[in-house]
Amino acid sequence: TQLLEQSPQFLSIQEGENLTVYCNSSSVFSSLQWYRQEPGEGPVLLVTVVTGGEVKKLKRLTFQFGDARKDSSLHITAAQPGDTGLYLCAGGRDTGRRALTFGSGTRLQVQP
Amino acid sequence: DTEVTQTPKHLVMGMTNKKSLKCEQHMGHRAMYWYKQKAKKPPELMFVYSYEKLSINESVPSRFSPECPNSSLLNLHLHALQPEDSALYLCASSQEGGPTDTQYFGPGTRLTVL
Repeated sequence: TQLLEQSPQFLSIQEGENLTVYCNSSSVFSSLQWYRQEPGEGPVLLVTVVTGGEVKKLKRLTFQFGDARKDSSLHITAAQPGDTGLYLCAGGRDTGRRALTFGSGTRLQVQP
Repeated sequence: DTEVTQTPKHLVMGMTNKKSLKCEQHMGHRAMYWYKQKAKKPPELMFVYSYEKLSINESVPSRFSPECPNSSLLNLHLHALQPEDSALYLCASSQEGGPTDTQYFGPGTRLTVL
């Protein structure tokens, strides 16, 4: 059972388009982290959100943590080829096993 | 500085070899992690060390043996691996391993078992 579901799994868009990636769960998380990973490299942290309803912006990227801390979204405005990569959400919980739970990942390809 | 370093970057080994992967961080973090990642899949947790003590072992086969010599270093000793163990091995660290801690990842070691 995947605790964190990401959608879509794969997205191919043209440069300049907008997109949203979703990370959903039936469980509550204490924190939600978003990473971007390129092939053969380690995940690079984009943002950590910890407060329900929190919105964080990083240039063209907007991250939102759901009010109930069960879901999150990543919105990219005017996508560029450099945004291509695997986007991973990961949740931290303060009950049970205290380690990050990773979503299944969204593979984004931005065509020039 | 949020850097986690891993060596080597690439490793090719036979099934009878013994090798080690190394990870280092100088952020003063007290929790360190090993993950295994297969192509096009998310990272899978293998081990967690908290304050230099093994706190989580995700039922990893004994041919993988972790070691935490001090709070900055994490090793993964490999022995008698199988071809299906070929993967990207990622090390990460965080402040104390708490639920709101951010984990910082190293660049990974690409392991190929022949």
